[in-house]
Amino acid sequence: DQQVKQNSPSLSVQEGRISILNCDYTNSMFDYFLWYKKYPAEGPTFLISISSIKDKNEDGRFTVFLNKSAKHLSLHIVPSQPGDSAVYFCAAIGNTGFQKLVFGTGTRLLVSP
Amino acid sequence: DVKVTQSSRYLVKRTGEKVFLECVQDMDHENMFWYRQDPGLGLRLIYFSYDVKMKEKGDIPEGYSVSREKKERFSLILESASTNQTSMYLCASSPSKSTEAFFGQGTRLTVV
Repeated sequence: DQQVKQNSPSLSVQEGRISILNCDYTNSMFDYFLWYKKYPAEGPTFLISISSIKDKNEDGRFTVFLNKSAKHLSLHIVPSQPGDSAVYFCAAIGNTGFQKLVFGTGTRLLVSP
Repeated sequence: DVKVTQSSRYLVKRTGEKVFLECVQDMDHENMFWYRQDPGLGLRLIYFSYDVKMKEKGDIPEGYSVSREKKERFSLILESASTNQTSMYLCASSPSKSTEAFFGQGTRLTVV
């Protein structure tokens, strides 16, 4: 049972345009969400996060939006750069007292020059 | 800088072999995790540990065991490797109250 879902396996965007990656979750106990970026043959690296008490968090070119009522979050990258080409994983943590990350299936982003 | 180091980048093992994947972190983190990454399935949690000698099953523990004898080291053991355990294995660590986990570079295991 996939509690965190990324329904788009891939996304292609032109350099300079906006990339929007989406993530849905089913477990209402999740209260913290993260985005990780992964290049081939490397481990995932943390990108940005958001607490469930907020609806937006911004860090440079990256903004994460959270819609709790829809159980949906999205990552916006503006402007997109070729170096952003990677697999992006959405992850969630529940308020159960242990910091265990539940990951989505990932979206492969390709930014073309 | 946090460093999580996995002992091998690439491994090829035969079916039925006992396989050890080692992970070491240098930031005195309490929590350590083992995930596997497969196409279309994302990262799935195999086992985790929140203290020395403590371990908890994740979502897919079957065919695996773990060992945490020292705080900095978390080992994943494939008792009898099978071809369906061919995967990318990722180790991670985090401080006890933190939400962010730090990952190693991964071990690509092929079982033939």
